[in-house]
Amino acid sequence: SFVLAQPPSVSVAPGKTARITCGGDNIGNKHVHWYQQRPGQAPVLVISYDDDRPSGIPERFSGSNSENTATLTISRVEAGDEADYYCQVWYSSAEGVFGGGTKLTVL
Amino acid sequence: EVQLVESGGGLVQPGESLRLSCAASGFTFSAYALSWVRQAPGQGLEWVSTISGSGGSTYSPDSVKGRFTISRDNSKNTVYLQLNSLRAEDTAIYYCAKQSGGIIVPFDFWGQGTLVTVSS
Repeated sequence: SFVLAQPPSVSVAPGKTARITCGGDNIGNKHVHWYQQRPGQAPVLVISYDDDRPSGIPERFSGSNSENTATLTISRVEAGDEADYYCQVWYSSAEGVFGGGTKLTVL
Repeated sequence: EVQLVESGGGLVQPGESLRLSCAASGFTFSAYALSWVRQAPGQGLEWVSTISGSGGSTYSPDSVKGRFTISRDNSKNTVYLQLNSLRAEDTAIYYCAKQSGGIIVPFDFWGQGTLVTVSS
């Protein structure tokens, strides 16, 4: 199996930059996708293929992926960004896996 | 507008079965793989099953293989998840998710989910 490790929580003040990491063995060789899940809502894709932003996602959201760590970066954080964030990859021929999720708190 | 509407959840006893449905609209149904992803209460997301656009290929983790079966009816724009031999640990919200193309691609749209509770 392939394990993705995320910090359980990240806190950031409004207007600052939040960075959420996703660690995995040579994850830089895989495509990483990121999902935002606000309380009581379904997940929403915010970054695909490491650093691609789907239509409608603010430019404040960006991603990177190298070696053993992928990172979701949220610039100029707003109160509405408070949510759980999950990284996800496909491995082997078609096995899907999510990270454990990171709760972003806006102070 | 893409819409995915799940149904079929409910309260069942351990060992019983349930069939979930996901009715889709707003896109060319047969052109896209679809998946089920679940979330236990207060927990993270867990991939459960994926089916190709034609329905000819299916994938699932060992944790549900042999108990859960994904299928689709392209004439009805509906994907199903048959849940057999249910256990307490299968209690979760089950989300239907559309993939952006083939199999190993991101989940670009999600339904609102249907709750399955397994309890005696």
